[in-house]
Amino acid sequence: QSVLTQPPSVSAAPGQKVTISCSGSSSNIGNNYVSWYQHLPGKAPKLLISENNRRPSGIPARFSGSKSGTAATLDITGVQTGDEADYYCGTWDSSLSAGPVFGGGTKLTVL
Amino acid sequence: EVQLVESGGGLVQPGRSLRLSCVASGFTFDNYAMHWVRQVPGKGLEWVSGLSWNGDNIGYVDSVKGRFTISRDNGENSLHLQMNSLRPEDTAIYYCAKSSLIDLGAVFDYWGQGSLVTVSS
Repeated sequence: QSVLTQPPSVSAAPGQKVTISCSGSSSNIGNNYVSWYQHLPGKAPKLLISENNRRPSGIPARFSGSKSGTAATLDITGVQTGDEADYYCGTWDSSLSAGPVFGGGTKLTVL
Repeated sequence: EVQLVESGGGLVQPGRSLRLSCVASGFTFDNYAMHWVRQVPGKGLEWVSGLSWNGDNIGYVDSVKGRFTISRDNGENSLHLQMNSLRPEDTAIYYCAKSSLIDLGAVFDYWGQGSLVTVSS
């Protein structure tokens, strides 16, 4: 059971927009920045978004993040077949066992 | 180009030990915290352990406290994870991950390809 809650799967046709949600609490998302990672099978995970909405160099503007209260969202516009992957949100959790936490991951299927 | 290369994984019996290593290149190693993150096959990511740039600040997930020890050698640009008293539930791909921060945090801007650890009799 992950500390952060994500939908197990989402799907979209090429060119469409998809939204992936990430829900937490005041001990994690509510008081800390959120990051998003893309994980292609057999590859190293890749940082897509940091500090809720900052894209590292080289990440297309099609990927955007936002946060409101204890929830965060990753939007992917103009979905491409190469975007088919698992997506994870992550943040710091300040509870008794403080440390980084991740969501359970969301599998994006491009139809 | 940042590169993180893990080694040391393999098949080990329950109760035995294994040491993972990660050699880093392409950045100033001693300017950043470093972490280990694992993924049980078919499951999500789980943070295992991390340490600050100088090793003074260290953290572990509860399930490995007292069994795993993280360390770094800034002179050799390397990160290590000593795993003792291994359990079947420790079976996972272990990723070495670079932090974007000098101290412990939750942003991992570069990851290695991973090293598979299988704990089974």
